[in-house]
Amino acid sequence: DIVMTQSPDSLAVSLGERATINCKSSQIVLRGSNSNNCLAWYQQKAGQPPKLLISWASTRESGVPDRFSGGGSGTDFTLTFSSLQAEDVAVYYCQQHCSLPLTFGGGTKVEIK
Amino acid sequence: EVQLVESGGDLVQPGGSLRLSCAASGVTFSNYWMSWLRQAQGKGPEWVANINPDGSDKYYVDSVKGRFTISRDNAKNSLFLQMNSLRVEDSAVYYCARNDWEVLKAWGQGTLVTVSS
Repeated sequence: DIVMTQSPDSLAVSLGERATINCKSSQIVLRGSNSNNCLAWYQQKAGQPPKLLISWASTRESGVPDRFSGGGSGTDFTLTFSSLQAEDVAVYYCQQHCSLPLTFGGGTKVEIK
Repeated sequence: EVQLVESGGDLVQPGGSLRLSCAASGVTFSNYWMSWLRQAQGKGPEWVANINPDGSDKYYVDSVKGRFTISRDNAKNSLFLQMNSLRVEDSAVYYCARNDWEVLKAWGQGTLVTVSS
């Protein structure tokens, strides 16, 4: 199984500041003839199901604000908030979508400082 | 816009059974792979099972193999999870999700399963 490790466990950021969450996979996560990185990011607000933000490491879902950006390749990936907003308070999870079993990181809780 | 609504969660004793349902709307259900996932209190999501569009291929996480069965009824736009021999560690909120290249594009609100004596 591919193990996903996120850091930090929690993050307190001032409004408008930049922040980055890290995700590391135990194996290279590549898929397809174009060797796309199969890494997704989800946002989960309190009492709600997870919501897909980014797939294929850097492709934002329709409607996701462009202050969210995904980067990285191979085994090391990032989710960056260019300017944190109050509505971004949530837990964020990475997930590899290369192979079964699908596996998630342990989550990063983002709060306002 | 796709809408997924789970039901069937309950309090059940260890060794018991439950059948979860997921009703889909706003999407051509029969075109998509579907997944069940679960999330224990205070933990991250865990993938449980996948099923292909016509129901002929099914995949499970090792911890539920032989106990859980995923199925679907495309005529009724419905997904199911039959859970037998339930254990305390199966307690969680169970979500259904639309699966696109193993990306979980849309999730339901979840249904709570509690396994306790």
